[in-house]
Amino acid sequence: AQSVAQPEDQVNVAEGNPLTVKCTYSVSGNPYLFWYVQYPNRGLQFLLKYITGDNLVKGSYGFEAEFNKSQTSFHLKKPSALVSDSALYFCAVRDWYGNNRLAFGKGNQVVVIP
Amino acid sequence: DTAVSQTPKYLVTQMGNDKSIKCEQNLGHDTMYWYKQDSKKFLKIMFSYNNKELIINETVPNRFSPKSPDKAHLNLHINSLELGDSAVYFCASSQPSGRPLQETQYFGPGTRLLVL
Repeated sequence: AQSVAQPEDQVNVAEGNPLTVKCTYSVSGNPYLFWYVQYPNRGLQFLLKYITGDNLVKGSYGFEAEFNKSQTSFHLKKPSALVSDSALYFCAVRDWYGNNRLAFGKGNQVVVIP
Repeated sequence: DTAVSQTPKYLVTQMGNDKSIKCEQNLGHDTMYWYKQDSKKFLKIMFSYNNKELIINETVPNRFSPKSPDKAHLNLHINSLELGDSAVYFCASSQPSGRPLQETQYFGPGTRLLVL
């Protein structure tokens, strides 16, 4: 079954510094990868996805993610973090063998320190 | 003009009661989902409907029954509520395409259920 791992529980970063949230995946076929963000007491908001093509995917709010097939990773990045980026970030994956199920990672809490 | 809406936003109830959560999407999507987010923030799919037809039914107690009166609505009915049902329940929908694996799911704001 497809799965993703988000190894860190919490990521702390100073405002203005680069932000990276890590995600590795495990699939049987080609991966379709997604990043979502959840602000406190809110639903999940879609940030970006990788389907095929360019390994660097640009998304909402200045976020981007890099697909690395050899390392089976899809890390989320932002060049300069804002305090308002403090939230819970979820990586998710689908593949052909998962019956269209979207498998989510456990989430990473990002805290941007002013 | 909310895309995916859920009611109620908060639900506090006693053990043993029966309750329903409603979900509506105005995006014209064919597929709708229910997810459960537990206290540790783990998200797990419960059900998925495509054009009113059940296509994903994960291993959830049969006290949980989804109902889709039309493709814009997917309600979740829960019988005989238990303490362990306390969680946040999210509805989501996705746009029809010839490539379902590539579809982006759009989530509602969640319903916070507390069973006492």
